[in-house]
Amino acid sequence: DVKVTQSSRYLVKRTGEKVFLECVQDMDHENMFWYRQDPGLGLRLIYFSYDVKMKEKGDIPEGYSVSREKKERFSLILESASTNQTSMYLCASSSLGLGYNYGYTFGSGTRLTVV
Amino acid sequence: ELKVEQNPLFLSMQEGKNYTIYCNYSTTSDRLYWYRQDPGKSLESLFVLLSNGAVKQEGRLMASLDTKARLSTLHITAAVHDLSATYFCAADGGAQKLVFGQGTRLTINP
Repeated sequence: DVKVTQSSRYLVKRTGEKVFLECVQDMDHENMFWYRQDPGLGLRLIYFSYDVKMKEKGDIPEGYSVSREKKERFSLILESASTNQTSMYLCASSSLGLGYNYGYTFGSGTRLTVV
Repeated sequence: ELKVEQNPLFLSMQEGKNYTIYCNYSTTSDRLYWYRQDPGKSLESLFVLLSNGAVKQEGRLMASLDTKARLSTLHITAAVHDLSATYFCAADGGAQKLVFGQGTRLTINP
């Protein structure tokens, strides 16, 4: 069974901490995405990557950075966590081209609370 | 910029009834996706609609796409409690990115 695995289901961090959210996929997908989900706002794209060591800003990149050193792993970094970054974070992956036919595969999500 | 809007955002209905969730999108998109999310869980793919006029059905759910009207619908027939969830539509925003609607929280009461 194909999988996108996010390392933590729940995280509580303090304001100002540097936070790492990890995502690993075992499908050899080229594309990986980070979204945040907030009530009433749906899913908003933070960053995405089409290949190793490449990254593109999504709609709400401020306060975040990403790293993709290996094809299977895409990390989201909160440089200095703030309370307005309390949210559900969802990682997704898709295959280049085939992504059109199958859409995304999502991870189980990380619910981050910043206090 | 592509925007995707769903309505209604909240829907409470009784078992056995039929209803439709609407998904409108603002610019041309040839592909439309529907996902389901259970509370505290991630998103699960339901349907992928790849062309104008596409219709797909799975059990009590049926999705359709009208690219000319920029509209997709998710129809629920004879609802059962197990269908209670939040449903998202997403349109192809180009460069293999999906743009999601706000989600429709569906509650089905016995």
